[in-house]
Amino acid sequence: AQSVAQPEDQVNVAEGNPLTVKCTYSVSGNPYLFWYVQYPNRGLQFLLKYITGDNLVKGSYGFEAEFNKSQTSFHLKKPSALVSDSALYFCAVRDGRNYGQNFVFGPGTRLSVLP
Amino acid sequence: EAQVTQNPRYLITVTGKKLTVTCSQNMNHEYMSWYRQDPGLGLRQIYYSMNVEVTDKGDVPEGYKVSRKEKRNFPLILESPSPNQTSLYFCASRPQGAGYGYTFGSGTRLTVV
Repeated sequence: AQSVAQPEDQVNVAEGNPLTVKCTYSVSGNPYLFWYVQYPNRGLQFLLKYITGDNLVKGSYGFEAEFNKSQTSFHLKKPSALVSDSALYFCAVRDGRNYGQNFVFGPGTRLSVLP
Repeated sequence: EAQVTQNPRYLITVTGKKLTVTCSQNMNHEYMSWYRQDPGLGLRQIYYSMNVEVTDKGDVPEGYKVSRKEKRNFPLILESPSPNQTSLYFCASRPQGAGYGYTFGSGTRLTVV
């Protein structure tokens, strides 16, 4: 069975500083990995995904994520944080071998960017 | 505009009174899914559907029913709601291909008293 861990409930960073939100995963087959963001009173919005190819994936709003197979990680990064990046971030994984199996989401990490 | 539409956005009901949360998507997606979001637990899948008349249980299906009679609609039914079903519910849809992510609705906040 697949699983996702987001080891930090909360991440605080000053505006303009780089940010990292951590994600580790476990799947039997090849991982399909996703990051979503949730703003207050809104649904989840897709940020980026890794399916295959280059380990560094670029997504919406200046976010990027690095797939590391040996560490089974898919950390979300941004070089310079904005106050408007403050939100709840979810990592999700799907086993690429099993088309019937759906996504498993992590518990979420709340990012606060301080002005 | 491509979207997943859920109704209602907010609902307060009493224990045992049957309710339905509707979900509709206009993207011709094959897969649809219901999740509930609870603090500290993230999103947990309730049911999902791979196409019309094809549904399967997710991780927390107890107390819920679904149906997929049309491709665009995937209602969530609570036959006898209980207070432990108080939660934020999301419907989502995606295409059939392996690498696609979900598009989410805006959510339904349900309170059962």
